[in-house]
Amino acid sequence: DAGVIQSPRHEVTEMGQEVTLRCKPISGHDYLFWYRQTMMRGLELLIYFNNNVPIDDSGMPEDRFSAKMPNASFSTLKIQPSEPRDSAVYFCASSWAGGFTDTQYFGPGTRLTVL
Amino acid sequence: GENVEQHPSTLSVQEGDSAVIKCTYSDSASNYFPWYKQELGKRPQLIIDIRSNVGEKKDQRIAVTLNKTAKHFSLHITETQPEDSAVYFCAGQDNQGGKLIFGQGTELSVKP
Repeated sequence: DAGVIQSPRHEVTEMGQEVTLRCKPISGHDYLFWYRQTMMRGLELLIYFNNNVPIDDSGMPEDRFSAKMPNASFSTLKIQPSEPRDSAVYFCASSWAGGFTDTQYFGPGTRLTVL
Repeated sequence: GENVEQHPSTLSVQEGDSAVIKCTYSDSASNYFPWYKQELGKRPQLIIDIRSNVGEKKDQRIAVTLNKTAKHFSLHITETQPEDSAVYFCAGQDNQGGKLIFGQGTELSVKP
């Protein structure tokens, strides 16, 4: 298996632009997680899905952030409009049926820079 | 909800020495505590985890201990090697939502 796949790996955009991050989880995994990592706030959970259904989006910082999982093999995280404070590394992770008590396999991350 | 504190924030050891990283948590109902290793520019990867029904778990040179009474758990790395240099994150499970709450990380440097 190729592991969790994320694209793009790097994104540089101007403030106010829409940004879409993409994730393909490991085949067969039931859970998908979106995390944000910054020096100031560390690793934070933004939202997670179980069997394509959003379960907890309490970590999504603002209405500018939205996430979807239209099928078991694809998820997107969208920021519209983007702001400089959104600059961070965004990780997608997936796990088996155990959810948070199962190993979470992280993707390589998307490094987002908003100018 | 859960709060996890981790220390030290940086740790430097000589190759071959042991390294210990400690975490405390606030939610007494938490029962799952994983440790992740993140090399520079790479993704976090699970290296070991422990559940509340176990006091200690070992895997080769790494071990984790859990003290539920004191609400703290520790990562022990013996015979450190330069490739152990990375940032290590502990986490506790928030039983209000089940999600993992990560510590702030410890940057471990192993000097040859």
